[in-house]
Amino acid sequence: GQQVKQSSPSLTVQEGGISILNCDYENDMFDYFAWYKKYPDNSPTLLISVRSNVDKREDGRLTVFLNKSGKHFSLHITASQPEDTAVYLCAGGGGSNYKLTFGKGTLLTVTP
Amino acid sequence: ETAVFQTPNYHVTQVGNEVSFNCKQTLGHDTMYWYKQDSKKLLKIMFSYNNKQLIVNETVPRRFSPQSSDKAHLNLRIKSVEPEDSAVYLCASRKRGAAIYEQYFGPGTRLTVL
Repeated sequence: GQQVKQSSPSLTVQEGGISILNCDYENDMFDYFAWYKKYPDNSPTLLISVRSNVDKREDGRLTVFLNKSGKHFSLHITASQPEDTAVYLCAGGGGSNYKLTFGKGTLLTVTP
Repeated sequence: ETAVFQTPNYHVTQVGNEVSFNCKQTLGHDTMYWYKQDSKKLLKIMFSYNNKQLIVNETVPRRFSPQSSDKAHLNLRIKSVEPEDSAVYLCASRKRGAAIYEQYFGPGTRLTVL
């Protein structure tokens, strides 16, 4: 089965609103959680990440919340802007080979 | 600007042909990866090399073989392509160090098998 799941393939938010992207995982060994942003025909780029010893990390308009007991983490984007429109991929990592397992992505569309 | 470079950007070929994709990183990283992004948009790891040594080999068909001449290069050869190999192949690299997961991706090579 899929180890990292993004249940919403798409999300539409109005400009200025808050975008909430969700990710669920199965692997208890994950101790690193990340969000990547991908524009069409571009490669994924790292947005923000957290280690398992924290349950929240903020960086500007971005906040990652981690719920380890629920095997869930989310990305909140405040004051969403049209340029935030992209595919957001969540990823989990753990173990000695530092491998990342990605979700299928959520297409976020921010409308003016 | 240093980055992860991939060639070609696109490749169209017929079933049974051999193809080879190149990847080079100028970030000074020690670990490189090949991922496959299929039609369902799932990004799945195929191989991982650390300093020219294979450290991860997910369950991929034998017709796929990675080739590394040095830690800055990791190429991917597909011996006899099949229709299900149509996908975007992404190369990535990771900085050396314990507990460092951040990966930097190349632009991808889109393979279409007719």
